[in-house]
Order: sequence, then structure tokens, then C-alpha cells
Amino acid sequence: EVQLLESGGGLVQRGGSLTLSCAASGFTFSRHAMTWVRQAPGEGLEWVSSLSENGNNMNYADAVKGRFIISRDNSRNTLYLQMHSLRVEDIATYYCVKGDFWSGFHFGTPGGDWGQGALVTVSS
Amino acid sequence: DVVMTQSPLSLPVTLGQAASISCRSGQSLVHSDGNTYLNWFHQRPGQSPRRLIYKVSNRDSGVPDRFSGSGSGTDFTLTISRVEADDVGVYYCMQGTHWPSTFGPGTKVHIK
Repeated sequence: EVQLLESGGGLVQRGGSLTLSCAASGFTFSRHAMTWVRQAPGEGLEWVSSLSENGNNMNYADAVKGRFIISRDNSRNTLYLQMHSLRVEDIATYYCVKGDFWSGFHFGTPGGDWGQGALVTVSS
Repeated sequence: DVVMTQSPLSLPVTLGQAASISCRSGQSLVHSDGNTYLNWFHQRPGQSPRRLIYKVSNRDSGVPDRFSGSGSGTDFTLTISRVEADDVGVYYCMQGTHWPSTFGPGTKVHIK
């Protein structure tokens, strides 16, 4: 059974930094692109960033480009999201999602396996 | 980015009755590889989204056959043949044909 467990969420001041982790199990982590999707309170879903299987290719939404860094450690089956220069508009639950090619053509397209989410709150 | 729209945004339903949600994309979702990457997700209150349908009409494992997807090009529909209480929540369509993947605004399904 695929399991994705996010951690690292919390409260941070505007302009601060936070790093989310996603521990993966139940599948061969190194063979799958991974993605972060976020959801602001009471709002819809927004793709944030994707990372290829080997970590060499990555994409970011314009809203986070230059401030967030996605990375992975395949030896630890863990995905990361470093978030810097955090803004009030970054307040959201961040979901770790296993990418698959059933959902879409491009690597990291959000597939059928999602974590439970990590809440990030930014104080102004 | 491809804009996804859904209607209605709020859908009151009667238990045991059918319900349908429409999703439209700003561009055709037919990929040059021949696939149409239109997905449906369901999010219950306080839970993570769960994919129900991929490539327009393929149900994920464990999804009841009460759920069906249809459509082509830019117009798609999710139909629940007989709504059950467990079906409440928000339904999102998502396209995976064009980069980046984009989601619809969501349709909130609730019991009348």
C-alpha cells in the first residue's frame, strides 16, 4: 500500500523559511516523479512543483518560482520542499503526491496517491 | 495555463438520485499521443483528494461503478448514478494534457 507522510508544517513569520518532508513507502520511490500540490483554506487545489525520478528535472508554479526548492533523497525515500521568503498567500495545506502517467503526459502529473497534507501558516 | 471551469459550483442532491457535474477546458485536452488526460478527484471534508477517474472514463481501483466519466475535446461530465451519503464533498476535474496540470474550481456536492 502506497503511503505518503508529510511533516514539517507549522507557523512561520512572513519572510521566513520552512522545509516540508514527505516520507514515501509502499512503492519504488526512485522510479516515480513526485509533486507538491497545495490548497489554501477553503479554496481549491493548486499545483506547486514537480521533480523527476532522478531529481534532475524540476518545475515550479510561477507563484513560487525563485522562492521554493524541490528535492529528493532516493536513498531515504523522501521528498522535500524548501520554502523561503514565505508570504501570507502561501498559507495552505501542502500535499505530497505521487506522479503517474495515467493522469497526464508530463512528469509529476498528480496521480492517485496523496499524503494527508501538512499545514503551513504564515503570520504577518 | 489551461483554464478549467466547472458547473455547477454547488450541487444539492437527493439520496438515491443521479447527479452530474460538468467540466470544461479552455483548450482541447486531446494530446498528440492520442490520449485525453482528464481526471476527476473527490475530496471529503477534512480529507485528502482521491482520484476517481483518469483519462476521461477510467475508474480507479475501488471506485464504485456508480461513478462514470464521459466527454471529449473540451467538454466533460462526471455522473453519479445513485448518490449515497458518502458521496458528499468537493469534486475537482484536473487536466494533465498541457503543462502545468490545472484544476477546476471544484463542485461542492451536498445533500438536500
